[in-house]
Amino acid sequence: AQSVTQLDSHVSVSEGTPVLLRCNYSSSYSPSLFWYVQHPNKGLQLLLKYTSAATLVKGINGFEAEFKKSETSFHLTKPSAHMSDAAEYFCVVKSNDYKLSFGAGTTVTVRA
Amino acid sequence: GAGVSQSPSNKVTEKGKDVELRCDPISGHTALYWYRQSLGQGLEFLIYFQGNSAPDKSGLPSDRFSAERTGGSVSTLTIQRTQQEDSAVYLCASSLELWGLGETQYFGPGTRLLVL
Repeated sequence: AQSVTQLDSHVSVSEGTPVLLRCNYSSSYSPSLFWYVQHPNKGLQLLLKYTSAATLVKGINGFEAEFKKSETSFHLTKPSAHMSDAAEYFCVVKSNDYKLSFGAGTTVTVRA
Repeated sequence: GAGVSQSPSNKVTEKGKDVELRCDPISGHTALYWYRQSLGQGLEFLIYFQGNSAPDKSGLPSDRFSAERTGGSVSTLTIQRTQQEDSAVYLCASSLELWGLGETQYFGPGTRLLVL
């Protein structure tokens, strides 16, 4: 079975400083991994996706994530946080029966 | 282009009533998924449809929940005899295909259901 653990339920950063959202996964095969973002009262938006083509994946809005098989991690980073990055972020693994398994989510707060 | 749309955006109902939630997927997407987002359970899979194949209903929490997809496009999620624990945001997603380059699931804005 596949599962995802987001290590931080809440992350607070100052505007202009780096953001790091940690995610560990378990999978019995080479997984498809995703990061989605959900702004308040909005739907889920895809940030980026890993499918084994490259271990460093670049997404929208300056976000990127690195797949590390040895650590079973898929951490999300952004060099410089913006106020508009305040949202909830979900790390997601896709199982071989086509279903998405979501982490519990990390709420990001950006301080001015 | 048009994304996944869902209706209604909000629904308030009384315990014991039936509700229908609608999802219009992105045109051309063969796969359609329903998820539920609640405070206690997070985001959880309910059911998916792929083309004309039998749906995978393994995530439906009880036999009060059912879904259909007509003509390979629009889907309706029906909850019979609603209970307070059914209160949640119901999310629909669609993808071009189940696996491969077109596997990315695109989500609608959700239907917020409140059972009184």
